[in-house]
Amino acid sequence: EVQLLESGGGLLQPGGSLRLSCTASGVTFSDYGMLWVRQAPGKGLEWVSGISGSGANTHYPDSMEGRFTISRDNSKNTVYLQMNSLRVEDTAVYYCAKLCYSSGYRAGVDYWGQGTLVTVSS
Amino acid sequence: DIQLTQSPSFLSASVGDRVTITCRASQGIRSSLAWYQQKPGKAPKLLIYAASTLQSGVPSRFSGSASGTEFTLTISGLQPEDIATYFCQQLDSFPITFGQGTRLETK
Repeated sequence: EVQLLESGGGLLQPGGSLRLSCTASGVTFSDYGMLWVRQAPGKGLEWVSGISGSGANTHYPDSMEGRFTISRDNSKNTVYLQMNSLRVEDTAVYYCAKLCYSSGYRAGVDYWGQGTLVTVSS
Repeated sequence: DIQLTQSPSFLSASVGDRVTITCRASQGIRSSLAWYQQKPGKAPKLLIYAASTLQSGVPSRFSGSASGTEFTLTISGLQPEDIATYFCQQLDSFPITFGQGTRLETK
């Protein structure tokens, strides 16, 4: 059974930094791209970043480019999200998510972590 | 960026009803669309991937279809445990985007 276990959330002040981790089990980790997705309280889902299975390719929405960095260590089955210059509006539950594929293209997210809460407040 | 317009935002239906939720993409996304169910305090759950493929373990009353840039999630025979919020997601190109969500309640 595939499991994704996140850690690293917490309470911090605006301008602070935080690194989230997500460790996978039950899967050949390097075969799959991974995403980070967040959900602000009472709001919808927002894609935060993505990384290919090898780690060679990373992607971000324009609003997070330069502040957030996704990386992975396939020897540890772990993906990371480094978040810098955090803002109040970054407050959300952050999920790591494993991509699934169909006919060679991205088709959905078949496994999600339990989510870790990041609260940015003065 | 590809925009997903999901409708309706809110839906009230009775147990046993056939329920339809629509997601319209602002441009072609092939079949790279997924549907999720989310209950309060829980992570989203994949229902449909590649527009119309039922995820393993998901009841067969859930189905997905596509016509051009319009995608549909159908629940054939609503059950009480289906009360949740539903999201569509396109993965064809970055930035990956989500629909705004449909909150489904029972009458």
